[in-house]
This record gives sequence, structure tokens and C-alpha cells, in this order.
Amino acid sequence: AAGVIQSPRHLIKEKRETATLKCYPIPRHDTVYWYQQGPGQDPQFLISFYEKMQSDKGSIPDRFSAQQFSDYHSELNMSSLELGDSALYFCASSFLGTGGNTIYFGEGSWLTVV
Amino acid sequence: DQQVKQNSPSLSVQEGRISILNCDYTNSMFDYFLWYKKYPAEGPTFLISISSIKDKNEDGRFTVFLNKSAKHLSLHIVPSQPGDSAVYFCAASEGTGTASKLTFGTGTRLQVTL
Repeated sequence: AAGVIQSPRHLIKEKRETATLKCYPIPRHDTVYWYQQGPGQDPQFLISFYEKMQSDKGSIPDRFSAQQFSDYHSELNMSSLELGDSALYFCASSFLGTGGNTIYFGEGSWLTVV
Repeated sequence: DQQVKQNSPSLSVQEGRISILNCDYTNSMFDYFLWYKKYPAEGPTFLISISSIKDKNEDGRFTVFLNKSAKHLSLHIVPSQPGDSAVYFCAASEGTGTASKLTFGTGTRLQVTL
């Protein structure tokens, strides 16, 4: 079965640079979530989109922005990168029509800021 | 403020025995609970979930128990297998059927020994 696809899998950027992560949800899923997991930490919710509209916002820095496009893929844009932004970024998707809220995660994108 | 807590950072169980992973939460608005399994540098893999209207859900070797009054849930794996060795995250959300974000626990590292 198709899963959540994230690209790139690994990314190295310098401080103050910009990075863009892409996420392709499971087909027919209408909701996309972004999570950040720092070393030794649990995943922290950043932002989510339902039907291309922002639905919830978590601990996302102002330097970050995201959107969901007409084909339901999502992009997370990170500017003025800081060393502390180095983390594993997960995208996840779900389909509210199932009645539950089972969220499926992608493999993650490793961002290293040097 | 950690709303979902997994107080045991690690657990070691012999192959064939039962593994019991525990999770406590403080937010009484949580009504949907999920368990994820995670290998290093990979995305969380959904295992099993339970809605607050139930107190037990079973899927193969995995059973999740929910005690709403105690705000406690547990994941039982029986029999445990070496391939079950991973970090297990408990997660909770509010509002079944809505695009609700997940709040994760800090994870429990399960080691299944031969």
C-alpha cells in the first residue's frame, strides 16, 4: 500500500539558509501534519492542514511556513535556519472519513544545519 | 507540561514473554489513543488505537487497554519477539473525527532478548 512520501530524506544546510521539505500524503487522505523530532525527544507537532486550509498550529517558529497544495501535497519552508533546527521532520496524513483519527507517518526528512 | 507520559524509558523482556508498556495522560479531553513503534531514523509506524468509548482493543499480538478513570492506557505484546525491539510511543488526540494533532509521550525503548 502507498505510504506517506517525504523528500528529501536528508538535507544539509548552513546557518541562515533556507530549506524546503516536501510531503506527499497517502492517496485520498485529506489531512497533512508536520512534526519535528529533535535528538532524544518525542515528536512535537508543528502544523496541520485539512482540505488545503491550515487546521491547527503548534510550536512552529515564525521562520517556518507551510502550505497544502491542490493535489494535497504539502511543503514546509524553513528560513534563516539555526543550528537548533537540526532535527528529523515527519510528515503524516490521515483521512477523517474513517471516523477515527489514525495518523500515518512518513519516513522523515533529516535536516542538519551546520 | 507533558500531557502524555511514559514513565518507563526502557523495558527488557525475554522472547516469548509478555511486554507491557504503560502510558498516563493528564488531559481529560483526549478521546483517541494510539500506539506507534519507531526504529531509529524511521517514521513512527502505527500499531493499534483505541477510542475512549472502549476499554480494550485487540489486534493479533497487540492489545491496548484503556482505563479512563485512571487516565491510563497500556499496550500488551504477547508473545514478545526480537523484532519487537524498538521505541514505542503512546499518543493521544482530542476530538475523534476531527483533524486533531497528536500529543506524544516520551517513548519507551523495548528490548526483547533471546
